[in-house]
Amino acid sequence: QKEVEQNSGPLSVPEGAIASLNCTYSDRGSQSFFWYRQYSGKSPELIMFIYSNGDKEDGRFTAQLNKASQYVSLLIRDSQPSDSATYLCAVMGRRALTFGSGTRLQVQP
Amino acid sequence: NAGVTQTPKFQVLKTGQSMTLQCAQDMNHNSMYWYRQDPGMGLRLIYYSASEGTTDKGEVPNGYNVSRLNKREFSLRLESAAPSQTSVYFCASSAIVSIDSYGYTFGSGTRLTVV
Repeated sequence: QKEVEQNSGPLSVPEGAIASLNCTYSDRGSQSFFWYRQYSGKSPELIMFIYSNGDKEDGRFTAQLNKASQYVSLLIRDSQPSDSATYLCAVMGRRALTFGSGTRLQVQP
Repeated sequence: NAGVTQTPKFQVLKTGQSMTLQCAQDMNHNSMYWYRQDPGMGLRLIYYSASEGTTDKGEVPNGYNVSRLNKREFSLRLESAAPSQTSVYFCASSAIVSIDSYGYTFGSGTRLTVV
């Protein structure tokens, strides 16, 4: 079992819709969770982090954490074509961040 | 501009050649990391350095060595390159400011091809 699992996609949504990206993790002791966005050929950039159960909102982005279910999600409201990218879920381990393989999001104009 | 600088951006090596990937950060971060990214595999940790003077193995250290030259610089060396090391390599740094802030800053990456 991978430590951090994501559906590779692609997830295709129309412009203006809500995109929902999901991530599960195996280490029940994990405390901090991150979402990175990576455009093709570019480096990952941090868009959200969360460490408490519940929701955290930042502009059009909402991160949701459920530690009991070992589940993290990212909602993108009013999706734009510029949101088309790969979204990486990352979990803080004992040594460093462990990343999922990413979900590719395509926002159709 | 503040950030993480990686060199070179692109490199082609022949099997058995050696090379060093350079990484420097100017954000006064304590921790630095080397990851590799392969299609469908996500980012995998090669080595990390929690602070100046310390280095530790990550998930995929075989075939690599690292040096934390000073607080700013963390280099990755391939002693004898193999085709399996064809990948995109990212350096990152972080500073633990508070329990809710472990975000990494990534360099622009090095695309390495071993033929």
